[in-house]
Amino acid sequence: DAEITQSPRHKITETGRQVTLACHQTWNHNNMFWYRQDLGHGLRLIHYSYGVHDTNKGEVSDGYSVSRSNTEDLPLTLESAASSQTSVYFCASSESRRDTQYFGPGTRLTVL
Amino acid sequence: QKEVEQDPGPLSVPEGAIVSLNCTYSNSAFQYFMWYRQYSRKGPELLMYTYSSGNKEDGRFTAQVDKSSKYISLFIRDSQPSDSATYLCARVSNTGNQFYFGTGTSLTVIP
Repeated sequence: DAEITQSPRHKITETGRQVTLACHQTWNHNNMFWYRQDLGHGLRLIHYSYGVHDTNKGEVSDGYSVSRSNTEDLPLTLESAASSQTSVYFCASSESRRDTQYFGPGTRLTVL
Repeated sequence: QKEVEQDPGPLSVPEGAIVSLNCTYSNSAFQYFMWYRQYSRKGPELLMYTYSSGNKEDGRFTAQVDKSSKYISLFIRDSQPSDSATYLCARVSNTGNQFYFGTGTSLTVIP
């Protein structure tokens, strides 16, 4: 069955380190998204991509970057991790822009 | 002002109760709405979507959009303990570029 996976599921890192979170989907969806979820803020969009080599900034993109070299993967990089980036990160994909977004299981990131 | 406002709860009801979950939105342009359900430590999953005003029913769930008051509602009939989760409303931008999520309402159905 097609699915969307994220790795690692849990990560603890130190302030200033570079961290990359992986997202892989097997639906062959063109659209992929990264969100962070925090208490009191809900889901907030970090970056999104509508296809290979396409990336766009979302609501809270500062300190994050993405690159899309193939259809299946959209890794999220924290260039220099900060404590404010402690959060749960969700990757999602969709077939078309207004279509249902299918979410991965999430990565719980702690920055000490 | 947030695109979508949602009462975070928590909401606790006895099994069999009718549950009403609500969101308000600020942009009155063409709207496309969704309700997602999120179990603890899981990713959100689509529950229902609607393109326009009025009601949409799916089993025990009914989604309602009132464009005049900018109100989105999700009703759950005969609530079950398995309905215990966080429910997030979402509005899709006119271009389809972005989804705006509410903060989620935590629901517990007590057996």
